[in-house]
Amino acid sequence: QKEVEQDPGPLSVPEGAIVSLNCTYSNSAFQYFMWYRQYSRKGPELLMYTYSSGNKEDGRFTAQVDKSSKYISLFIRDSQPSDSATYLCAMGSYSGGGADGLTFGKGTHLIIQP
Amino acid sequence: EAGVAQSPRYKIIEKRQSVAFWCNPISGHATLYWYQQILGQGPKLLIQFQNNGVVDDSQLPKDRFSAERLKGVDSTLKIQPAKLEDSAVYLCASSLDMRGNQPQHFGDGTRLSIL
Repeated sequence: QKEVEQDPGPLSVPEGAIVSLNCTYSNSAFQYFMWYRQYSRKGPELLMYTYSSGNKEDGRFTAQVDKSSKYISLFIRDSQPSDSATYLCAMGSYSGGGADGLTFGKGTHLIIQP
Repeated sequence: EAGVAQSPRYKIIEKRQSVAFWCNPISGHATLYWYQQILGQGPKLLIQFQNNGVVDDSQLPKDRFSAERLKGVDSTLKIQPAKLEDSAVYLCASSLDMRGNQPQHFGDGTRLSIL
């Protein structure tokens, strides 16, 4: 079992729909959680990061973390064609020296149909 | 603020040849990471530096991969000799420091093809 599971899709929805993207994880040591957006032939771009269970909202994006279920979500409201990209969840933990490198999911390929 | 710079953007080599990638992190960022992203996968951490010291290189194939950050700023990642399975995008990321609330910012990567 991989540490982070993410459905690769593709996920295709009409413009204006609410999109729900999810990841599950098995390592209870993960303490902070991030969502990145990656366009083709570009590097990952940070969208959201959270450290505790609950919701965090930024514009059209809402990140949700449930540590008890080891489950995180990203919701996109009023989806636009420009949101079409691959969405990567990422998680990190702390060791003695500070934050470790991130562990990523495979990414979900999202297509917003005009 | 300038982002993470990487070069070259693309590289094509034959197996058993050597290749090097360069990364210039965001100014003032003490922590630098190299990730490998194989097509259809998420990035996988290869090595993490704090200033010019290695924090974690547990997933770096040390028989063929090496990395350095001599002056605590720019970094190079080298592969020698390259294998077919090394075909991937090599991403560099940086963060202000190693506190968990400091997000990692990525460059656009170097796309490596091994023939």
